[in-house]
Order: sequence, then C-alpha cells, then structure tokens
Amino acid sequence: SYVLTQPPSVSVAPGQTARITCGGNNIGSKSVHWYQQKPGQAPVLVVYDDSDRPSGIPERFSGSNSGNTATLTISRVEAGDEADYYCQVWDSSSDHPGVFGGGTKLTVL
Amino acid sequence: EVQLVESGGGLVQPGGSLRLSCAASGFTFSSYWMSWVRQAPGKGLEWVANIKQDGSEKYYVDSVKGRFTISRDNAKNSLYLQMNSLRAEDTAVYYCARAAIYCSSTSCYSNHAFDIWGQGTMVTVSS
Repeated sequence: SYVLTQPPSVSVAPGQTARITCGGNNIGSKSVHWYQQKPGQAPVLVVYDDSDRPSGIPERFSGSNSGNTATLTISRVEAGDEADYYCQVWDSSSDHPGVFGGGTKLTVL
Repeated sequence: EVQLVESGGGLVQPGGSLRLSCAASGFTFSSYWMSWVRQAPGKGLEWVANIKQDGSEKYYVDSVKGRFTISRDNAKNSLYLQMNSLRAEDTAVYYCARAAIYCSSTSCYSNHAFDIWGQGTMVTVSS
C-alpha cells in the first residue's frame, strides 16, 4: 500500500515561514490534500489538489507537489497556526485507496 | 448550514458490535462519496472506509475488512458504519467526512479531499 512520510515536528518563530513536507513514491503524480487539526477538534481542509485553497482559508497557506515530495507552506506564521497537519492522497489503483501521512506537529515558538 | 453529526459511539467489550450513524444536513447527500476516518488516542488520522453516492462501490482499509460494513440511506441523509468483532485497537474517535466534488458544464468528479467533517464519536473497546 502507498505510504506517506511526514516529519513528526516542525518549529518556527512567529512571522517566519513554515514548510511541512510529505514524502511518497512519485507523489508528484498524485493530488495531495492537507488538513489542519487543533486539539479536541475535527480536521479542517486547508489545501486540496496540491495547491488550491478552500474558501475561508488564508492566502498564507499554500502547497506544492513535485517528484517524491509535496510541501505545505505557511507564510507569516501566527500563534493560531499551531496545530497538527496531515497530508492525504487517494490511491485509486489500490483497493484501500485512502492514505494519510503520520502527521506533523507545528510548534510556534 | 452544511453539517455532519455522528452518533452511536460508546464502550463495548472485545468481540462486541456497535453501529455508528452520521446524519447529514445542508447539502445534497446523495451527490457525494462519503468516508469514515478514525483517530486513536494520541495518534494520527486513519482512513477506514468509503462508499459511492449510490452505494454501489465500497472500499475498506485492510485492518477492518470482513469486520466493518459501511452503508448509507440517501432517503434519510444518513451514513452508517456497522462494526463487528471489535478489538482494542479499534478504540478511536470516528469521524464521518464528505468527499468534495467539482463540476464542469458536462460532468462532476470527486478528488476525495474531505471538505466537511463531523465532530466525531468515541468508540472504546475494553473489558
């Protein structure tokens, strides 16, 4: 089955740029979606199809995807961005197609 | 308001059964693929199962195949997850989630990004 690998944690100072990676075999050929989850809350979709943002998500959130790595970039990080972030793909060639990365804890210093 | 509300969680003994429900409102339920996603305490998200708009296709993660059954009732705007032969490792918060769809002038497709989530229902498997 398809595996997505994320770093367990990323730390960044307020106002700086955070980059969270998601590795997978030829992930550039797939559509990657990203979710933000704060403690005790359900996940929220922040980027879909590699780089598109749902309505209501700040422009500070952006994404890219190429080769074996997809990246979620959060510019001008705020304290309220502190959360767990998960990447996700749909592996339509598999009979269990839903795949999440292990998650990355973003800490705002 | 677009909303998903799960119910049916609780404490169950190993080997027992439980049926989760998810009530949808504020959108045309029958137009969307739907999924169940779970999260064990302190762990990450795990996709569990999904079902096509008309119920004709269903997919499961390997660890629940043969034990869990996903179903839906479009007339009642409801999604279900029947869980049998429950194990301790099934302990988790279970979320129902809607898969986004995008439509052109001629057709619609789903990219299986989960754009709407319920608040979750806790399932605890313990003796």
